[in-house]
Amino acid sequence: GNSVTQMEGPVTLSEEAFLTINCTYTATGYPSLFWYVQYPGEGLQLLLKATKADDKGSNKGFEATYRKETTSFHLEKGSVQVSDSAVYFCALSVSGAQKLVFGQGTRLTINP
Amino acid sequence: DTGVSQNPRHKITKRGQNVTFRCDPISEHNRLYWYRQTLGQGPEFLTYFQNEAQLEKSRLLSDRFSAERPKGSFSTLEIQRTEQGDSAMYLCASSLGVRETQYFGPGTRLLVL
Repeated sequence: GNSVTQMEGPVTLSEEAFLTINCTYTATGYPSLFWYVQYPGEGLQLLLKATKADDKGSNKGFEATYRKETTSFHLEKGSVQVSDSAVYFCALSVSGAQKLVFGQGTRLTINP
Repeated sequence: DTGVSQNPRHKITKRGQNVTFRCDPISEHNRLYWYRQTLGQGPEFLTYFQNEAQLEKSRLLSDRFSAERPKGSFSTLEIQRTEQGDSAMYLCASSLGVRETQYFGPGTRLLVL
């Protein structure tokens, strides 16, 4: 079946630190990969996506590369800010329904 | 307003009561999805519509749950005879079509006492 495994949280970093949140997946077929973010009190927002191997998604200083050989889609940011504090979800979708399969989420807290 | 809206935002009910939630997708989005999110977990797929047709239902969607999208615009999700295990955030998302980005609403938080 299809599943996503994320790095367990919570993750706490200081401002300007380097961020990595690991995400690996199992999928039948050729999935598209996503990172969604949920800020406190808000709905899920798409952060970035990649639809084929070696694609790099990027947005707001965050990046993730679709690695088919390691079935991974790790999220990185070079210098985090307090405003990046949120819950981050890795997800995949496969052809047909395109329903999203989410990981369990990683809570990130950035301290000033 | 160009976002997905959901009503109500919060619902508290007693076990055994029926509840209905509404989702208004982004205009012209023909796909509409329902997900459920419990505390500390990622959202789980419940069902989706292509226009007014309900094309897939998850095994999570017991026979107490029913969803409709009568005119291919807004959708409703009804839970009959609610149980405490139904307490969760119910999320709606819409997309323009296959392989297009899903945009999520703010969710309806249900608490069953």
